[in-house]
Amino acid sequence: QSALTQPPSASGSPGQSVTISCTGTSSDVGGYNYVSWYQHHPGKAPKVMIYEVSKRPSGVPDRFSGSKSGNTASLTVSGLQAEDEADYYCSSYADSNNLVFGGGTKLTVL
Amino acid sequence: QLQLQESGPGLVRPSETLSLTCTVSGGAISSSSYYWGWIRQPPGKGLEWIGSIYYSGSTYYNPSLKSRVTISVDMSKNQFSLKLSYIAAADTALYHCARQPVVRNFLNWHFDLWGRGTLVTVSS
Repeated sequence: QSALTQPPSASGSPGQSVTISCTGTSSDVGGYNYVSWYQHHPGKAPKVMIYEVSKRPSGVPDRFSGSKSGNTASLTVSGLQAEDEADYYCSSYADSNNLVFGGGTKLTVL
Repeated sequence: QLQLQESGPGLVRPSETLSLTCTVSGGAISSSSYYWGWIRQPPGKGLEWIGSIYYSGSTYYNPSLKSRVTISVDMSKNQFSLKLSYIAAADTALYHCARQPVVRNFLNWHFDLWGRGTLVTVSS
């Protein structure tokens, strides 16, 4: 059982927006601004899409955005494209120099 | 272009010690700008951070695994390694190595570059 809770699946049609949630506690998501989101196409290396809640690494399309409210962080993918279909994982720094992940959300582009 | 490549045995017997190596190419593991970490993913489950190491040997470990984990660095080979003792079936997973940035002397708790992972199965 993962420390952070994500919905197992999400979906949207091309061009639409979809938001994936990541719920933790005040000891992780709610207490620190070290929430990250990773995109993982099976068989490939995971790729960071968002770090420090809302920062985008260079090369990541601005269709990807992150936010946080209380103990819940969110990843929004706007203008869905076929290549966005992948597994998405959130992570957060947690008390006492720990790092916790979510169980992952499978995003399907319909 | 810096790359990370995991290597190690695909099959390990229960109660033994798992040993994996991550080879860093295209950049120096001795960079002061990064920690180097291990993350695993059991089949059908989410990711789990195992631990991270700096070139100086400074480490952070997942509290739930700390008693069984040792991460070390070999700058002469540009590699870092994971040892996980008293292996059990629950340790069957895809093991990734990854790079973790240091920003203004503080560890940033995300991984900006990952390897594809190596599958480890625990079975007798």
